[in-house]
Amino acid sequence: GAGVSQSPRYKVAKRGQDVALRCDPISGHVSLFWYQQALGQGPEFLTYFQNEAQLDKSGLPSDRFFAERPEGSVSTLKIQRTQQEDSAVYLCATRRDRGSNQPQHFGDGTRLSIL
Amino acid sequence: TQLLEQSPQFLSIQEGENLTVYCNSSSVFSSLQWYRQEPGEGPVLLVTVVTGGEVKKLKRLTFQFGDARKDSSLHITAAQPGDTGLYLCAVYTGGFKTIFGAGTRLFVKA
Repeated sequence: GAGVSQSPRYKVAKRGQDVALRCDPISGHVSLFWYQQALGQGPEFLTYFQNEAQLDKSGLPSDRFFAERPEGSVSTLKIQRTQQEDSAVYLCATRRDRGSNQPQHFGDGTRLSIL
Repeated sequence: TQLLEQSPQFLSIQEGENLTVYCNSSSVFSSLQWYRQEPGEGPVLLVTVVTGGEVKKLKRLTFQFGDARKDSSLHITAAQPGDTGLYLCAVYTGGFKTIFGAGTRLFVKA
């Protein structure tokens, strides 16, 4: 497809389980971002990749959160030992190149519910 | 304290009415973006404003960047049900981060 694709669209997990969320970027896009969006709030930055390099992970809320983009294309956000406060929509966005004036293209997100 | 304060948080109006939503900050920015997000979807970029005092129009939507580049407004003329959604302003803070406001949730009734 032409857009950013995220899977799964919905994920329900029990507290303590590990989850993995996938982002397929627009082909050739250099920059990739992960955001967390709580109900009724705007997206909050989690981490940024330029190709395979993770250049900023300052937004990751704890060491339970881990993101990778090993070949500079598909990215995975992993959350270990999930907690109820991890329930949110996780958005992936990609951008054609490094320039901050380029638009970010968002996927439709993964809605994560922790029971 | 949020870097970007959006107001109002929620707005419910009748079709055909005009409205203005605001994005305010005490910081100066080199540019500011407006996005619209519909339920179950990711945000979609509407416009980027760069110059202080700049006005951009997108059909019935008018965006203005404050003279001091600290704030912005979005005015919708003759709102339609299709305008319903969450309107988000966002800025780059240097480095790689984009910071979003909490958004204004707009509901336009037919």
